[in-house]
Amino acid sequence: GAGVSQSPSNKVTEKGKDVELRCDPISGHTALYWYRQSLGQGLEFLIYFQGNSAPDKSGLPSDRFSAERTGGSVSTLTIQRTQQEDSAVYLCASSLDGAVRNTEAFFGQGTRLTVV
Amino acid sequence: AQKVTQAQTEISVVEKEDVTLDCVYETRDTTYYLFWYKQPPSGELVFLIRRNSFDEQNEISGRYSWNFQKSTSSFNFTITASQVVDSAVYFCALSEAGSWGKLQFGAGTQVVVTP
Repeated sequence: GAGVSQSPSNKVTEKGKDVELRCDPISGHTALYWYRQSLGQGLEFLIYFQGNSAPDKSGLPSDRFSAERTGGSVSTLTIQRTQQEDSAVYLCASSLDGAVRNTEAFFGQGTRLTVV
Repeated sequence: AQKVTQAQTEISVVEKEDVTLDCVYETRDTTYYLFWYKQPPSGELVFLIRRNSFDEQNEISGRYSWNFQKSTSSFNFTITASQVVDSAVYFCALSEAGSWGKLQFGAGTQVVVTP
């Protein structure tokens, strides 16, 4: 498909375990974003990658959260030692360039993470 | 501090009624961008509109229209003659200078359209 692809679509993990969430952006998109959507906090920005620039990590809630983007394409969001408050839907988006003022950000369907 | 406020949590209408969603934003920048996204039950956020701070012209796209008023820091969205397919959560968002890659979302408004 031509859209943003996220895997897995659902993930249930035990508290304290590490999880990896994957995002395949639209081919040719240089910018990639991660957001988190939870009942209590709404839609929160987590991290933003633009080309080869240093990522904007200002939204990561703690040092248990990290993200990589390999080869300017696929991204992995890693949560270490998961806590129950990490339960949320993690949304990935990509755009042609990093300026959302110029180009539309396309969102994936998200990964629903449940920490038990 | 919340930069985008969507005061309406849920709006219920009967098909063919008009519905207006309010969005109030806060920024010190003179250049900024405002957005509306739709999130249907499938969960995927769908882009509806982007508007820059220098363009206060109202916009109409089919049954959708947007009213941008800088004087009141509002960017309201109206669905005319609503349809059941319009049932979704609608988010207003802000992007500011210096962090163009970041969308700051409001809490969203759930629209329920019943036949």
